[in-house]
Amino acid sequence: KQEVTQIPAALSVPEGENLVLNCSFTDSAIYNLQWFRQDPGKGLTSLLLIQSSQREQTSGRLNASLDKSSGRSTLYIAASQPGDSATYLCAVMDTGRRALTFGSGTRLQVQP
Amino acid sequence: SAVISQKPSRDICQRGTSLTIQCQVDSQVTMMFWYRQQPGQSLTLIATANQGSEATYESGFVIDKFPISRPNLTFSTLTVSNMSPEDSSIYLCSAAGRANERNTEAFFGQGTRLTVV
Repeated sequence: KQEVTQIPAALSVPEGENLVLNCSFTDSAIYNLQWFRQDPGKGLTSLLLIQSSQREQTSGRLNASLDKSSGRSTLYIAASQPGDSATYLCAVMDTGRRALTFGSGTRLQVQP
Repeated sequence: SAVISQKPSRDICQRGTSLTIQCQVDSQVTMMFWYRQQPGQSLTLIATANQGSEATYESGFVIDKFPISRPNLTFSTLTVSNMSPEDSSIYLCSAAGRANERNTEAFFGQGTRLTVV
């Protein structure tokens, strides 16, 4: 059974810092990996999608990498802003049903 | 990205009653799923909603408690039956596999925040 772990569980940084969120998964037979953002009481917003054959994806200040063989992904946020404050969720999609297994999330607080 | 409309967005229900949550996708999709997010927790898959056939439930979830319908490629419902306070959670609908899409990206509705009293 796939298990997804995210560290740290919570992170508080001053505005402007670059930061890295970590995600690891136990079964490397994945279809893809997605990073999501969730604001309090809201649904999920998809940030980046990395196919299993890809190594990284970039969108604006966000960069996500994938090392499938070692079961790891990182989300890099450059020049953090208070508006980045949210919970970031890593999820891997299985090759069969195409359902997602989620990590427990990293709660990020960016202080002005 | 696909737009997923989910309603109601929130509800407060009496224990013992049932609530049906609707999920509408703005385009045809191959796959639809229902997830639960308990307070302070991450998301857990309840079931895969199969078009025209019975849903496929994950361990710990049963059809009598969470009946699911999916009459076509854009719509699904989840019913939370005989509710108890332990059912208080956010329920989220997800869709993936749009036509002519190379990458299978999952999208989510805004969720239904359910409180059972």
